Amino acid sequence: EVQLVQSGAEMKKPGDSLRISCKTSGSSFTNYWIGWVRQRPGEGLEWMGLIHQSDFDVRYSPPFQGQVTISVDKSKNTSYLQWSSLQASDTAVYYCARQYNYKAEPWGQGTLVTVST
Amino acid sequence: QSALTQPASVSGSPGQSITISCTGTSTDVGLYNYVSWYQQYPGKGPKLILSDVNERPSGVFSRFSGSKSGNTASLTISGLQADDEADYYCCSYTISDSWVFGGGTKVTV
Repeated sequence: EVQLVQSGAEMKKPGDSLRISCKTSGSSFTNYWIGWVRQRPGEGLEWMGLIHQSDFDVRYSPPFQGQVTISVDKSKNTSYLQWSSLQASDTAVYYCARQYNYKAEPWGQGTLVTVST
Repeated sequence: QSALTQPASVSGSPGQSITISCTGTSTDVGLYNYVSWYQQYPGKGPKLILSDVNERPSGVFSRFSGSKSGNTASLTISGLQADDEADYYCCSYTISDSWVFGGGTKVTV
């Protein structure tokens, strides 16, 4: 059974950099995509982008292009979501999910990122 | 890419059926049969309940069904149960080779 395990909650200040992770276990098959989704407090889901685990092809949703960087370490079966300079508006829960055949399953448990002075 | 349009809330009594609509455009919902639905309980991550408009993953109850007409997809929950009280999100693949979610619908039983 494939499982996605995300890194723990983070508390940062505006301007800080951050990288959160999503590790895939339970499958040696890497021909799939890992997507990232944002959920701000009390709000809905927003698709940010995704990366292919084998050929590193990356796609970004236009609002997130240039705002975040999605990467992968194939040797660690781990995908990353990275910010170079956080803003208060980045406060949210971030989920990763395996995306294949036009669906997202399973999902990670989520990583809460809090950006505050 | 604008979010797909869902009603903010839908309510029903136990045993009843409810339907949640998800309206997009001719560049997403209307163009592809790649609409999926996700259930989310408070404080939990989303769970896939339907894909490809009406395909249920293993373990998802047959009470959940989907359909699509033109630019609008729908999720129907039959025989509503207390455990169905959650947020539901639709999602569609788009012509831009990206995905877009709906704003979410809170179901109250």
